[in-house]
Amino acid sequence: NAGVTQTPKFQVLKTGQSMTLQCAQDMNHNSMYWYRQDPGMGLRLIYYSASEGTTDKGEVPNGYNVSRLNKREFSLRLESAAPSQTSVYFCASSPGVDSPLHFGNGTRLTVT
Amino acid sequence: QKEVEQDPGPLSVPEGAIVSLNCTYSNSAFQYFMWYRQYSRKGPELLMYTYSSGNKEDGRFTAQVDKSSKYISLFIRDSQPSDSATYLCAMKTGGGADGLTFGKGTHLIIQP
Repeated sequence: NAGVTQTPKFQVLKTGQSMTLQCAQDMNHNSMYWYRQDPGMGLRLIYYSASEGTTDKGEVPNGYNVSRLNKREFSLRLESAAPSQTSVYFCASSPGVDSPLHFGNGTRLTVT
Repeated sequence: QKEVEQDPGPLSVPEGAIVSLNCTYSNSAFQYFMWYRQYSRKGPELLMYTYSSGNKEDGRFTAQVDKSSKYISLFIRDSQPSDSATYLCAMKTGGGADGLTFGKGTHLIIQP
């Protein structure tokens, strides 16, 4: 099983450019998440989707939008990238309420 | 005060030693507790998942939860160089799919 697959693995953007990070899971999980990981800050929740058709803001949603395309796919969009969005982005999925999360291997994004 | 506190290390121990990793938390509503292992340039990997106070053992790993003290621990017996990684504690309140709150992680080095 592939688990949680994130594309691309690496990306360099210029300030003001837009891009979409893709995430897909093959475990038939209901819930999906986007986190960012920064040195000294740990993992912080950007947005989550508790089930297909719903999305909610996490701790640091400003500058991001999400789309739960179907049960398998959850994308994260940066409309106008800023250097402060340089980070490693992790997608995760979970069977549902009170279950642990399963993570992908991340997208490393640099905004210059 | 952060909700979850974790010493970032690095913690360096010789091969074969018993390792103790710890987190403290302030939110008494946390009910589910997890430990993740993260290798460099990889996503977090679930190691242990516990609910309520007490101990849970899985091979060389033991997770301990003390809700009265708001303190959780992960013990690694017979540590191996392959255990060198960053260990993240994570926790959540019950009844929702709103993601996990993470500690910042402890960088562990096992010296051969």
